[in-house]
Amino acid sequence: DGGITQSPKYLFRKEGQNVTLSCEQNLNHDAMYWYRQDPGQGLRLIYYSQIVNDFQKGDIAEGYSVSREKKESFPLTVTSAQKNPTAFYLCASSFGAELYNSPLHFGNGTRLTVT
Amino acid sequence: GQQLNQSPQSMFIQEGEDVSMNCTSSSIFNTWLWYKQEPGEGPVLLIALYKAGELTSNGRLTAQFGITRKDSFLNISASIPSDVGIYFCAGHRSYGGSQGNLIFGKGTKLSVKP
Repeated sequence: DGGITQSPKYLFRKEGQNVTLSCEQNLNHDAMYWYRQDPGQGLRLIYYSQIVNDFQKGDIAEGYSVSREKKESFPLTVTSAQKNPTAFYLCASSFGAELYNSPLHFGNGTRLTVT
Repeated sequence: GQQLNQSPQSMFIQEGEDVSMNCTSSSIFNTWLWYKQEPGEGPVLLIALYKAGELTSNGRLTAQFGITRKDSFLNISASIPSDVGIYFCAGHRSYGGSQGNLIFGKGTKLSVKP
């Protein structure tokens, strides 16, 4: 079955440590995205990539980094510079970067807790 | 930045009741999307709207793109327990346009009593 796989489901880290969240898709989608979700909040875009080896900052990119070396993979690193890293992180992909007729498909998220 | 105001924040209803929620913006939006998120999962697209005045159905769900282009509505008829979840609206100011500019509302949390 095609889909987006995020791992792990739950992640615990100590403050000051960098942590990398995995996102893999086998939908042959060109574009991939990382969103952050906090309780009672909408989704906020961290980074997105429209094509391999290219990515753009979203609204809240500070303290995060990404890479897009392969079409299937878009890992997100939460660095120690991110002031409030505890959140639910959602990865998404779409066939194209354009919105029309190319809906976002989401993974099931990774809940990161930093203490 | 741009914001979408989604209401109500939460709803507690009896099974069988109809549900109505909406999203408004101070700016004109040219694309409206409605997503549903179940606990511990990612959002799933329910309905996409691309034209002002458009009314689109997906089973018991009906969504409308407001004629002013500043709002959108989602209605669920005859609710059932599996309708439970958080419903998000999302909008974009351009026709098509990059999904990097998609803006999400804060969600409406729906609880259904059997």
